[in-house]
Amino acid sequence: GQSLEQPSEVTAVEGAIVQINCTYQTSGFYGLSWYQQHDGGAPTFLSYNALDGLEETGRFSSFLSRSDSYGYLLLQELQMKDSASYFCALGRNTPLVFGKGTRLSVIA
Amino acid sequence: DSGVTQTPKHLITATGQRVTLRCSPRSGDLSVYWYQQSLDQGLQFLIQYYNGEERAKGNILERFSAQQFPDLHSELNLSSLELGDSALYFCASSARDSTYEQYFGPGTRLTVT
Repeated sequence: GQSLEQPSEVTAVEGAIVQINCTYQTSGFYGLSWYQQHDGGAPTFLSYNALDGLEETGRFSSFLSRSDSYGYLLLQELQMKDSASYFCALGRNTPLVFGKGTRLSVIA
Repeated sequence: DSGVTQTPKHLITATGQRVTLRCSPRSGDLSVYWYQQSLDQGLQFLIQYYNGEERAKGNILERFSAQQFPDLHSELNLSSLELGDSALYFCASSARDSTYEQYFGPGTRLTVT
């Protein structure tokens, strides 16, 4: 089967940088995605890593190390609107398996 | 706005009843996914349809069923409802070969009383 572990909560200061980690177990690896979900809202796609290394999209970056079964989402120049839940998910051409999510609270 | 629409937005019903949730995918997307999100279980994949055919099945109860119609909209039918079925139900769509990038609808919040 597949499983993902991520911290349940993270708190960071506005303007700072925060890293949300995700470790996974899977028999076959097909890529790691990240989604953002605000309270009461729908998950929205942020980024995807199929290969090792860093993918940058504006203030958000995602990193993958397949040898360590590990990835992270890096959020820079934190804004209050970044307060949300962040999910890592496994899969590419198969239905995604989501982690339980990390709730990020950005404080002034 | 993701381009995925879901109706109704809220649904309140009693135990034992049956409800139907409706989803229209983004224009051009052939795959539709249904997810259940509850506080303790997170996002749970229920079922996927691709161009009218069932493609994959997840943790979907036998009391639940779904279908995708020729115009690609999809319906999720929930029957013999129990209190534990209260949750947010999301529909998502994706292009054929990119299930990692899914576009989620606004969800239907189901409350079973």
